[in-house]
Amino acid sequence: QVQLVQSGAEVKKPGASVKVSCKVSGKRLNELSIQWVRQAPGKGLEWMGGYDPEDDETIYAQKFQGRVIMTEDTSTDTAYMELNSLRSEDTAIYYCVKISGFSYSYFDYWGQGTLVTVSS
Amino acid sequence: DIQMTQSPSSLSASVGDRVTITCRASQSIRSHLNWYQQRPGKAPKLLIYAASNLLDGVPSRFSGSGSGTDFALTISSLQPEDFATYSCQQSFSSPYTFGQGTKLDIK
Repeated sequence: QVQLVQSGAEVKKPGASVKVSCKVSGKRLNELSIQWVRQAPGKGLEWMGGYDPEDDETIYAQKFQGRVIMTEDTSTDTAYMELNSLRSEDTAIYYCVKISGFSYSYFDYWGQGTLVTVSS
Repeated sequence: DIQMTQSPSSLSASVGDRVTITCRASQSIRSHLNWYQQRPGKAPKLLIYAASNLLDGVPSRFSGSGSGTDFALTISSLQPEDFATYSCQQSFSSPYTFGQGTKLDIK
């Protein structure tokens, strides 16, 4: 059974950076493809990016290009999402998710979420 | 980007009711459509993938249908634990966009 456990809530000032971690258990991180999704208060879900095993590269939603970096430490089975130049609109719950499927992809395991609050 | 539009945005229903939530894609996504359930304060949970495939353990009162641009999630007989927000997602191409969500609450 795969589990994704994320780091705790963060409060940041505008212009700062935040780095959220996602510890994988039940499988090795290099056996999985991890994506990141966020949800602003009262809003819908928004895919930010993640590892594409077909192309062996990390892809980012255009909205976040240049501002987000997603990395993995396979020695500790931990994935990271760093978002820079934070603004108030980045206040949201950030989720790491495991993407599965071969012909059809879906997000079948979710972390518990990390609340990031951006406020002066 | 492919836009996903759900309707209605909110829905009030009673235990035992049959409800249907629809999701429309801005272009054909074949059957690359997933449905998620989210209870307040919790992470989303996958219910249905590839438009009509129920994830193991999901009650059979849930069903999905559609292909191309028009899809539906049907709950045949609402149970108290079904009152939640439901979101569709296309996995045809990145960015993997979601619908805005449909909040289902008790009438």
